[in-house]
Amino acid sequence: AQTVTQSQPEMSVQEAETVTLSCTYDTSESDYYLFWYKQPPSRQMILVIRQEAYKQQNATENRFSVNFQKAAKSFSLKISDSQLGDAAMYFCAYRSATYTGANSKLTFGKGITLSVRP
Amino acid sequence: KAGVTQTPRYLIKTRGQQVTLSCSPISGHRSVSWYQQTPGQGLQFLFEYFSETQRNKGNFPGRFSGRQFSNSRSEMNVSTLELGDSALYLCASSLGLSLRSNSPLHFGNGTRLTVT
Repeated sequence: AQTVTQSQPEMSVQEAETVTLSCTYDTSESDYYLFWYKQPPSRQMILVIRQEAYKQQNATENRFSVNFQKAAKSFSLKISDSQLGDAAMYFCAYRSATYTGANSKLTFGKGITLSVRP
Repeated sequence: KAGVTQTPRYLIKTRGQQVTLSCSPISGHRSVSWYQQTPGQGLQFLFEYFSETQRNKGNFPGRFSGRQFSNSRSEMNVSTLELGDSALYLCASSLGLSLRSNSPLHFGNGTRLTVT
């Protein structure tokens, strides 16, 4: 079974600064996807960024980028130029690319609460 | 395009009752999955439906069930409610077209269920 670990329950960043959220995972599979989701107080989970394991290049989406270290099974999220609207809970998630009958099953970490100081 | 719609947003039930939650996926999405979110256990996969068929089920008791209709709308039912069933229930939809589909999941705002 796959596991996802987010060891930091809370982090804080000054507006306009950069923050890195950590995530490690454990799997015996070689083909999988990794995601970062954001959950603001509105409760809706919003996809921030995704990474395909077979791609060596780190994914980037505007101010969001990841550092994907496949051998170390590490997948951290870097938020640059932090904004007040980035304050939310962030979840790291894993999804197998091997067909097991459930393409949509995500395994989530416990999440990290990010606060942004003005 | 409208997003994933979950109804109701809030629900209060008493122990022993049953409850039905509804989820309307994004138009064109055929896969619907359900997750339970609690402070203690985090986000846990409940089940996934595709073309009216349950494709996979998480590690939850048989009191938790679901179904999907021909228009891809899905319902989740919990019978004989227990206090521990209090949670945010999230529904997500995706295209789910291919076996190795990496189409992202789009989540709804969830239904907050409180069991008293």
